[in-house]
Amino acid sequence: EDKVVQSPLSLVVHEGDTVTLNCSYEVTNFRSLLWYKQEKKAPTFLFMLTSSGIEKKSGRLSSILDKKELSSILNITATQTGDSAIYLCAVERGTNAGKSTFGDGTTLTVKP
Amino acid sequence: DGGITQSPKYLFRKEGQNVTLSCEQNLNHDAMYWYRQDPGQGLRLIYYSQIVNDFQKGDIAEGYSVSREKKESFPLTVTSAQKNPTAFYLCASTSFGEAGANVLTFGAGSRLTVL
Repeated sequence: EDKVVQSPLSLVVHEGDTVTLNCSYEVTNFRSLLWYKQEKKAPTFLFMLTSSGIEKKSGRLSSILDKKELSSILNITATQTGDSAIYLCAVERGTNAGKSTFGDGTTLTVKP
Repeated sequence: DGGITQSPKYLFRKEGQNVTLSCEQNLNHDAMYWYRQDPGQGLRLIYYSQIVNDFQKGDIAEGYSVSREKKESFPLTVTSAQKNPTAFYLCASTSFGEAGANVLTFGAGSRLTVL
């Protein structure tokens, strides 16, 4: 059975702090790992990672995949209150494109 | 603007009633999905459809039913057989054969509460 585990489950920081969110997985025939941000309702796409060791970056957010360790991290530097959200990690198998297995998410709260 | 429309946003149901949640997309996506989200938990797959007139059960299909008569539409019925239906329901879609095809686009969700 596919498994995706995120840690920590929740995190409270102050504006300006740097945070690292973790995602580990056990999936047969791994195809890709995706990060989503869910603020109120609809999750929105952040990154898709398929190759190990290549960092994806968007502004203050960055993410990298380690296929040897079966894990990924999502970094957020200089956090802002607008970064408060649930961050979801999802893993997709090559045999069934689009059918993603999600972790339980990390709830990030950024205080002013 | 292209996107996914879910309705209703909020729905209250009495025990023993069936309810149907609507999901419509104008993205011309091939595949559509229904996920359930409970507090403190991630998304769990209920049903998915990769082509019109065909669908497969996800991890928690019991007590739910779907249809895919049109490419744009993938309604979910929560039946009285679903023992704990109170949850947030998210519809998503994706298109194969394109770059980033495994990225899901989500609707705004429907929150179902059983009274």
